[in-house]
Amino acid sequence: EAQVTQNPRYLITVTGKKLTVTCSQNMNHEYMSWYRQDPGLGLRQIYYSMNVEVTDKGDVPEGYKVSRKEKRNFPLILESPSPNQTSLYFCASGDRGSTEAFFGQGTRLTVV
Amino acid sequence: GNSVTQMEGPVTLSEEAFLTINCTYTATGYPSLFWYVQYPGEGLQLLLKATKADDKGSNKGFEATYRKETTSFHLEKGSVQVSDSAVYFCALRILGFKTIFGAGTRLFVKA
Repeated sequence: EAQVTQNPRYLITVTGKKLTVTCSQNMNHEYMSWYRQDPGLGLRQIYYSMNVEVTDKGDVPEGYKVSRKEKRNFPLILESPSPNQTSLYFCASGDRGSTEAFFGQGTRLTVV
Repeated sequence: GNSVTQMEGPVTLSEEAFLTINCTYTATGYPSLFWYVQYPGEGLQLLLKATKADDKGSNKGFEATYRKETTSFHLEKGSVQVSDSAVYFCALRILGFKTIFGAGTRLFVKA
C-alpha cells in the first residue's frame, strides 16, 4: 500500500530536550516536505526536499532541522524544542511529474 | 507574495443543503489550485485540483472552477451529507513542490 508514515503519532516532551519525528514514504517520490498546522493559520511549510541531499527552507524553518540522506526518509529534528513548537506536524511526498501531494497521518507534538 | 484566503468557519449546514466555501488567491505566475479535506484525526487528502484557467476539478460530488479573472477557486457541492463533515483547505502550488495553504474551513453537517 502506498503511504507516508510518520512516527510518533503523539509526543509530549519538555523544553530543550532534542527530538526527532520520522517520515518515510514507499512511493519512490523525489519531493518530501514538512508542514505544521496551527488553528487559524492552516498549514505552513517548514522545510522541503527535492531529492537526496537537497533541502531548502520553507516559510517557518526557525527551530527545525531536516536531512535527506535516503530517498524514502525525511526526518524532522527539533534540537531544542520550545512551547511555541507545540503543533500538529504533517509530512508529505510527491512525484516530480505530478501536482499531487500525499500526506502522512500527522504527529501531534506538545512541548511543556 | 503568494497567498490563499478562504472563508472563515465553522460552516454549519443541514443534510442535503447546498455548500459553497469561498477561496481566493494571490499568486505570481500560473499556479495549480487544490482543495484538500481533513477528516477528524486524519491527514490531508486531495479532494480535487485544477491546473489551468477555466479547468473544473470534481470529485465525490464536489466541484471547483479555476477562475483567473476573479482569482478564485470556490468549492461547491449540491447536497451535503453528514459524512462530509471535515476541515477543507484551499491551496495553490507554483514552483516544484511548494504548496501554500489557506487557513482551513471547518464544515459541520447536521442530520
